This record gives sequence, C-alpha cells and structure tokens, in this order.
Amino acid sequence: EAGVVQSPRYKIIEKKQPVAFWCNPISGHNTLYWYLQNLGQGPELLIRYENEEAVDDSQLPKDRFSAERLKGVDSTLKIQPAELGDSAVYLCASSRTLAGEQFFGPGTRLTVL
Amino acid sequence: DQQVKQNSPSLSVQEGRISILNCDYTNSMFDYFLWYKKYPAEGPTFLISISSIKDKNEDGRFTVFLNKSAKHLSLHIVPSQPGDSAVYFCAAGTGSARQLTFGSGTQLTVLP
Repeated sequence: EAGVVQSPRYKIIEKKQPVAFWCNPISGHNTLYWYLQNLGQGPELLIRYENEEAVDDSQLPKDRFSAERLKGVDSTLKIQPAELGDSAVYLCASSRTLAGEQFFGPGTRLTVL
Repeated sequence: DQQVKQNSPSLSVQEGRISILNCDYTNSMFDYFLWYKKYPAEGPTFLISISSIKDKNEDGRFTVFLNKSAKHLSLHIVPSQPGDSAVYFCAAGTGSARQLTFGSGTQLTVLP
C-alpha cells in the first residue's frame, strides 16, 4: 500500500509570509497526526485528528497555526505569519485507529529566512 | 520537562557486534513503549514495541527490554549491520489513545 504522502518536501520562505503543508494519509487510516521536529529533537505532537474531528490540538500555537482535515482524508497545516523559530521539519503520520501503529510521511523541511 | 530521555546522542558499533540503545522515562503513567528508526530525509518507521505488562519483546535481531522499577528501556540489535545506521527514537504512550512522547534520538553508526 502507498505510504503517507506529504508536499512540498522542502519550503523556503521569508519571515511573516504564510506557508501551507499538505498531507495525504494511508488509505483507510482514520487518525491523522501533525508533528513538529526541531533539529536534534524528537517529533512533538501538534494536532491529532480522528476522521475530520480534531481530538487533541492542545500543543498547536493557535495564534499563527491552523489545520484542517476536510472529509476526513487529506489534511493541511498552515502557518500565518511564519517566524524564524518555525524553521523545522513538519511530519504527518496516520494510523488505522486511535491506538494503532503510526506511519510517518517523509516530512516537509521548512526554512524561514 | 523531558518525560522521555535518550542521553546518548550518538553510538558507534562495529559490524557484527551488539548495539545497545538506552532510554529513560519519568512518567509512571506510560504503559506502552516503542522504538522508531529514521533514515535521513525520511520519516520515522516503527521498529518494535513493548507493553508495560512485559519486560522483554523480541523480533528477529531486535529486542526491547523494559525495567519498570528503573523507568528504563533499551533496544538491543544483534548482530549489528551497516544498514542499521540511522537515528533511533524511543517513544512512550499512555492509555488507549496512544498519544506518543518521543525522546531526542540516538544516532547509531555501524562500522563495516
């Protein structure tokens, strides 16, 4: 089966610009996760979806970050405006159920200049 | 406060020898532990897991040991192969939702 797809793979923007990341989970996976991975650190959960409902967004900086998962399939994570400290890898993962094994996409590496 | 810690940022091992990667945790509520492997420019991939009701789980060359009293787990790779060179993340979860907390990773290099 196809894995988790993310695009773009790399993005370079200037600070204060908006940016969006897209994720297509594995077919049939109801749970979708967005993680942030800073250099030298492990992934940190930003938001988790069960179908189209955000069941845990406590770690999402809501002043500048937003996410949506329309129709419970693809998801988009947006940052507006981006700050220098947002430079990181943004990982998307999916699992068949809330307790299932998480499969990760390759990530989007964001550089904010 | 880091709830999951991997204190060794890197480890080098000779091919054919044992690799031992360590992980410590502080949250007693964690009941499920996993190891992920990550190659450059790829996302982490699941390697092996263990429930808190067990103290050992084995899958081929990979064995995970859990010491609940010490809040410590380790991953043993025997024998180590050059293809095992990657960053290994320890992760811990709690409850049915399996929300994971990751460690900072250990870069394993297996020398031919």
